[in-house]
Amino acid sequence: AQRVTQPEKLLSVFKGAPVELKCNYSYSGSPELFWYVQYSRQRLQLLLRHISRESIKGFTADLNKGETSFHLKKPFAQEEDSAMYYCALAGGTSYGKLTFGQGTILTVHP
Amino acid sequence: ETGVTQSPTHLIKTRGQQVTLRCSSQSGHNTVSWYQQALGQGPQFIFQYYREEENGRGNFPPRFSGLQFPNYSSELNVNALELDDSALYLCASSLDGLGEQYFGPGTRLTVT
Repeated sequence: AQRVTQPEKLLSVFKGAPVELKCNYSYSGSPELFWYVQYSRQRLQLLLRHISRESIKGFTADLNKGETSFHLKKPFAQEEDSAMYYCALAGGTSYGKLTFGQGTILTVHP
Repeated sequence: ETGVTQSPTHLIKTRGQQVTLRCSSQSGHNTVSWYQQALGQGPQFIFQYYREEENGRGNFPPRFSGLQFPNYSSELNVNALELDDSALYLCASSLDGLGEQYFGPGTRLTVT
């Protein structure tokens, strides 16, 4: 069975501080990992996926297969980063069958 | 390009009733996935429809069923509603189930 764990329900940082949102997963094969974000009053949207190895809005995430982790990082948090963040896993080739973590609410204080 | 839309926005039903939720996929997308999001939880995969056929199902009982139409819009039907079915129901569309999933705004279902 596949599972995604986000250990922190809430995370608060000050503007300009580094931020790391943790994600651990369990999956027997080679997973595809994603971070989705939901800003206030907006719909869920893709932030980044591990396979593209991009930096989006200053965020990066590295897949660590040894530690089965996919932590999301940003060196300098901004107030507009305040949102709900979900880590998600797709087993197999269909990205539409996602297993989500419980989410982390990130609050960036001025 | 039209985004994913869902209807209704919210509704209230009584335990034991049946409900139908609707989703219009983004233009050009042929795959729709449905998710249930209980309060304080992440979305949970219900099932996926690809070219009008069910293409994968999560851990939900048979009273959760769906349809996809030739225009790739989709319905989620829930029979014999239970209190625990109260949740936000999300649909997401994509092309061939690959690439970015585009989510709708959701339908908030309350069962009393």
